[in-house]
Amino acid sequence: EPEVTQTPSHQVTQMGQEVILRCVPISNHLYFYWYRQILGQKVEFLVSFYNNEISEKSEIFDDQFSVERPDGSNFTLKIRSTKLEDSAMYFCASTPEGTGELFFGEGSRLTVL
Amino acid sequence: AQKVTQAQTEISVVEKEDVTLDCVYETRDTTYYLFWYKQPPSGELVFLIRRNSFDEQNEISGRYSWNFQKSTSSFNFTITASQVVDSAVYFCALSAYNTNAGKSTFGDGTTLTVKP
Repeated sequence: EPEVTQTPSHQVTQMGQEVILRCVPISNHLYFYWYRQILGQKVEFLVSFYNNEISEKSEIFDDQFSVERPDGSNFTLKIRSTKLEDSAMYFCASTPEGTGELFFGEGSRLTVL
Repeated sequence: AQKVTQAQTEISVVEKEDVTLDCVYETRDTTYYLFWYKQPPSGELVFLIRRNSFDEQNEISGRYSWNFQKSTSSFNFTITASQVVDSAVYFCALSAYNTNAGKSTFGDGTTLTVKP
């Protein structure tokens, strides 16, 4: 069964460092997402990506965040200068067009020290 | 603005008991999707069900059933004859009925513990 894969599973970084989280969505899906879950809290929408551009982003997704799909398979989330409050589990997800059913990856846990 | 409320933070039951997880939502959209996701202790998020706002039929899948009531803006989830493997955090979610329907608003989640 096709699945969304994410790397790394866990990354520890120092405050102020740049981090790139990588995702390979399901190949025939058209919409790609990043969600964030701070430990023990709700799952929050960060950004959606369609047709090689951001379709929507949340207030959390400020100038420190960026996404791209560099090669037609990978979908990356970059945090330019990490802060302590960026520590969270980051989930990548993809959907076929219009269904809303999110296929999540296993998540990348980011710890900012 | 959309909002999902899961008033039950934690529920603990003994195996084989039935349990209902409540979900109440708010939206100005006339058409929308509702979802339930499961997050087991291993941490991944697993899709369970999607409901369209114009389809108020209740659904049953094995031991799981869902009760959608538009009049009360509720989408409750019942597990019949619960098992230890049902222990997880369950999230209710809401999205607009459009092409970017994967942009979901999640509730805070209900932690279900099923004891043997």
